[in-house]
Amino acid sequence: GAVVSQHPSWVICKSGTSVKIECRSLDFQATTMFWYRQFPKQSLMLMATSNEGSKATYEQGVEKDKFLINHASLTLSTLTVTSAHPEDSSFYICSARDHSGANVLTFGAGSRLTVL
Amino acid sequence: GEDVEQSLFLSVREGDSSVINCTYTDSSSTYLYWYKQEPGAGLQLLTYIFSNMDMKQDQRLTVLLNKKDKHLSLRIADTQTGDSAIYFCAESYSGGGADGLTFGKGTHLIIQP
Repeated sequence: GAVVSQHPSWVICKSGTSVKIECRSLDFQATTMFWYRQFPKQSLMLMATSNEGSKATYEQGVEKDKFLINHASLTLSTLTVTSAHPEDSSFYICSARDHSGANVLTFGAGSRLTVL
Repeated sequence: GEDVEQSLFLSVREGDSSVINCTYTDSSSTYLYWYKQEPGAGLQLLTYIFSNMDMKQDQRLTVLLNKKDKHLSLRIADTQTGDSAIYFCAESYSGGGADGLTFGKGTHLIIQP
């Protein structure tokens, strides 16, 4: 079945630095990928839609200059958290839609970001 | 907006059946899904059901859909410790978010020995 790989699984960084998270579709092409943020014991919050070859579409309230998204190929989207601060610490998950026709989203394993 | 509601916790004894319930509000849902999230991991699709079906069974999992009441349930037979996780119900409909889905807040399944 469809597999989405996310890297790194966890990252610790200092406040003020930038962190890049990668999301890859391993056995299928994804013109669209999605990035979510999940707070402890809560559901996923959709942050943005990553569009291959064009600008990402951000959900209301998500700072596009803070969370830079690049979707340069049909199998790779990256999320860069710029000038990270402790409040950016969270679990970030990406997803992509496979071609099963049932609108199924395949999720990555998530990336735990801790900003010191 | 549209809502998907789930209980936050369910506690069952190992070996018993678990039934996780979900209600949704949009009658034009096309597909309904159950995802499983283990600690520190992403979401894993368990199963999904098309809105014109009443039931779907896959090994230990049984999904029941009552479209009239907008009620979806997931039954896990012979619950094991490995089933301990958060289970998210989600619906897909034309008015959904950019990803086409609306998720519930998740039900934390706790297994008692």
